[in-house]
Amino acid sequence: SYVLTQPPSVSVAPGKTARITCGGNNIGSKSVHWYQQKPGQAPVLVIYYDSDRPSGIPERFSGSNSGNTATLTISRVEAGDEADYYCQVWDSSSDHLVVFGGGTKLTVL
Amino acid sequence: EVQLVESGGGLVQPGGSLRLSCAASGFTFSSYWMHWVRQAPGKGLVWVSRINSDGSSTSYADSVKGRFTISRDNAKNTLYLQMNSLRAEDTAVYYCARVVAGTEGWFDPWGQGTLVTVSS
Repeated sequence: SYVLTQPPSVSVAPGKTARITCGGNNIGSKSVHWYQQKPGQAPVLVIYYDSDRPSGIPERFSGSNSGNTATLTISRVEAGDEADYYCQVWDSSSDHLVVFGGGTKLTVL
Repeated sequence: EVQLVESGGGLVQPGGSLRLSCAASGFTFSSYWMHWVRQAPGKGLVWVSRINSDGSSTSYADSVKGRFTISRDNAKNTLYLQMNSLRAEDTAVYYCARVVAGTEGWFDPWGQGTLVTVSS
């Protein structure tokens, strides 16, 4: 089955740029979606189709996907961005099953 | 407003059964594939099951195959997850989620989740 690998944690100072990676075999050929989850809350979509932002998500959030790595970039990080972030793809080789990365805890210093 | 509201969670003994429900509103429920995703305490998101828009096709994670059954009632705008032979490792918050743009699409929105605790 398809595996997505994320770093367990990323730390960044306020105002700086955070980059959260999601590794997978030839992930550049797949569509990657990203979710933000704050403690005690349900996940919220922040990026879809690699780099598109839903309405209501700040422009500070952006995404890219190429080769074996997809990246969620958060510019001008704010304290309110502290959360867990998950990448997600579909494993089309196995009956439309869904795969999540293990999640990355973003800490704002 | 597009909304999903789960219910039916609770404490159940190992080997027991539970049925979760997910009530949908604010959109044409019968047009969308729906999924269940779970999250064990302190752990990450894990996909559980999915059902297509008319209920004719389902898929399951290997960890729940043969024990869980996903279904839907489009007349009642409700998604279900029947969970049998529950194990301690099934303890988690269970979320229902709508898939936008079909296969290869994204989950939006998610319900608030319902906690299932399997313990004696």
